[in-house]
Amino acid sequence: NAGVTQTPKFQVLKTGQSMTLQCAQDMNHEYMSWYRQDPGMGLRLIHYSVGAGITDQGEVPNGYNVSRSTTEDFPLRLLSAAPSQTSVYFCASSYQRTGKNNEQFFGPGTRLTVL
Amino acid sequence: GNSVTQMEGPVTLSEEAFLTINCTYTATGYPSLFWYVQYPGEGLQLLLKATKADDKGSNKGFEATYRKETTSFHLEKGSVQVSDSAVYFCALSQAGTALIFGKGTTLSVSS
Repeated sequence: NAGVTQTPKFQVLKTGQSMTLQCAQDMNHEYMSWYRQDPGMGLRLIHYSVGAGITDQGEVPNGYNVSRSTTEDFPLRLLSAAPSQTSVYFCASSYQRTGKNNEQFFGPGTRLTVL
Repeated sequence: GNSVTQMEGPVTLSEEAFLTINCTYTATGYPSLFWYVQYPGEGLQLLLKATKADDKGSNKGFEATYRKETTSFHLEKGSVQVSDSAVYFCALSQAGTALIFGKGTTLSVSS
C-alpha cells in the first residue's frame, strides 16, 4: 500500500492564482480530511469527507473548496490564492471519523507559498 | 467544547535524558487519547494511543497513561535519543467529534 499520497510537495503561487492540491489513499478509508499547519497554531481542520459525495466544513474552510467523487481521491482547491494561505497542507484518512479507533494516516504534506 | 492543551516548547534535552511532555484535555464523557509524532519534513504518524481510563499506551520506548482524574495524558521516555527530535502532538477523539489536536511540542535532542 502506498498509504496517503499528496502532490505536489512544493508550490509557489502568485496572489489570485488558483490551484488544486491532490490527495489519494489506497486503504479504502471512508473518512478523509485536509489540515493546514502553521507555526504556533498546530493543525487546523479545513474540510472533511465521510464518504464519496459527502463533504463538510471544518474549522477554517474559507477560501477552499473540496469534492469527493471517489473513495480514493479528495482534492483541495484554492480558487484565488492569498498570502494568508501560505502554509503546509496535510491530507489524512481513517476508517472512521470519530471514536476509539480513530487513527488517522497522514500524507507527507504540500508546502505552499503565496506571494 | 473539547480541547487539548500541551506544554509549550521547544524542549531541549541531552541524549539519554528523561522526557516528559505534558498534555491535558477537556471533554465530556470518555474520549480516546493519542500521541502523534512529526519528524522533520514528514507528515504526522501515530506514536501511541489509549482508549479508556488507566490504559497505558506504549511504543518505541515512549509511554503515556490515560488519567481520568487529572484529565491528562503525559508523554514520557526514560532515555531520549537524537533520533527522537521531532514535533509531538497530543490529540483526542470522541463519538460525534473529529480528531482534535494540541498545538504541538518541539523536542530537540543533542548528543
